[in-house]
Amino acid sequence: GAVVSQHPSWVICKSGTSVKIECRSLDFQATTMFWYRQFPKQSLMLMATSNEGSKATYEQGVEKDKFLINHASLTLSTLTVTSAHPEDSSFYICTIHELRSADYNSPLHFGNGTRLTVT
Amino acid sequence: AQSVTQLDSQVPVFEEAPVELRCNYSSSVSVYLFWYVQYPNQGLQLLLKYLSGSTLVESINGFEAEFNKSQTSFHLRKPSVHISDTAEYFCAVSVCDRGSTLGRLYFGRGTQLTVWP
Repeated sequence: GAVVSQHPSWVICKSGTSVKIECRSLDFQATTMFWYRQFPKQSLMLMATSNEGSKATYEQGVEKDKFLINHASLTLSTLTVTSAHPEDSSFYICTIHELRSADYNSPLHFGNGTRLTVT
Repeated sequence: AQSVTQLDSQVPVFEEAPVELRCNYSSSVSVYLFWYVQYPNQGLQLLLKYLSGSTLVESINGFEAEFNKSQTSFHLRKPSVHISDTAEYFCAVSVCDRGSTLGRLYFGRGTQLTVWP
């Protein structure tokens, strides 16, 4: 079954509104989650690393005030797109690294993504 | 930041033909390398990965990829494809140093593999 639950799967909103996307770890505790964005015909672009109990780490060029990340518990990270505009329309994906040990032999789980359309 | 280049956005092939999906990366430090596959209407799934050791890695469904450090490449190959291999394939890189967060990946733009009967 699913290990990562991402909601909503799609959302349409008007320009200027804020949209919250949730990413939940269903089977294990996740101190770190990652948020990606994918534009049509382009690659997944890492936006930020969400850290439980501390501030998120944003990639260069990603506006932290625009994309608010909250990781208040070990099973939930939220991404809020504030004052959304049509250029924010994209596919947003969260991933969780299941750290059974401190290396890459632990699997990386992907959410099914959220399709955001801003009109 | 790292960059990952997948030169071919679309690769159409006939069933049972061999295929190679190319991936090159730019990094001056050691990296971990991954191939992910996304079947229609599904999420991303790990296909195979290179962490260390043998430069040739294989998946359970017949794909293999070879890490070539000198050419900074990690091309994906399969000697005989099936229609069920039709999917989007993403190459990804992660930097392996003490300052990097495990799970932080940089993706290529993807290659759509379409297998025709």
